[in-house]
Amino acid sequence: LAKTTQPISMDSYEGQEVNITCSHNNIATNDYITWYQQFPSQGPRFIIQGYKTKVTNEVASLFIPADRKSSTLSLPRVSLSDTAVYYCLVDNTNAGKSTFGDGTTLTVKP
Amino acid sequence: DAGVIQSPRHEVTEMGQEVTLRCKPISGHDYLFWYRQTMMRGLELLIYFNNNVPIDDSGMPEDRFSAKMPNASFSTLKIQPSEPRDSAVYFCASSLAEFPLRGYTFGSGTRLTVV
Repeated sequence: LAKTTQPISMDSYEGQEVNITCSHNNIATNDYITWYQQFPSQGPRFIIQGYKTKVTNEVASLFIPADRKSSTLSLPRVSLSDTAVYYCLVDNTNAGKSTFGDGTTLTVKP
Repeated sequence: DAGVIQSPRHEVTEMGQEVTLRCKPISGHDYLFWYRQTMMRGLELLIYFNNNVPIDDSGMPEDRFSAKMPNASFSTLKIQPSEPRDSAVYFCASSLAEFPLRGYTFGSGTRLTVV
């Protein structure tokens, strides 16, 4: 499984766009990139998943460059309720399980 | 659907006692995962099942831990005897596939404190 590296923490203010970058230099050809969000006292929640270029849903966008060695989760106009830990995972259909790294603690301030 | 349901939400027990954590996956999900989360080690996969059969238990810390899935709607994680270092939040998750396109659905977890 490819190892991922994320910033330990980030601060932002309400209304700003937040970009969290994840490095995965050893990503394999059949690996996908998945992001989860975890609030205190809750289990992780799926946010978005992608393989290449750009994926967008109602919550976030995921940008993946051509070499796929990194990815960026973009949260538009964050609010206080977006304060959470965000995990980047790299896995594939043969992995059989998802391995969570240390995640990025995002704190949104008023 | 009510999502993945775990019970109890909180458990406090004395060292040496047996602890049983319970999980009801989402109906129709063929995969069930047990994770443990601590400040020191983060989220660790303990074991996962496919169609009620254990597939990979390499994350189970030691023989004191055991997990069963007697049917498609119920799984247990048992610790016997419990030790203070087992204190953690234990999450159960389920999914339609081994590598689901919409990720895993996690329960709210069971916070275990062993004193």
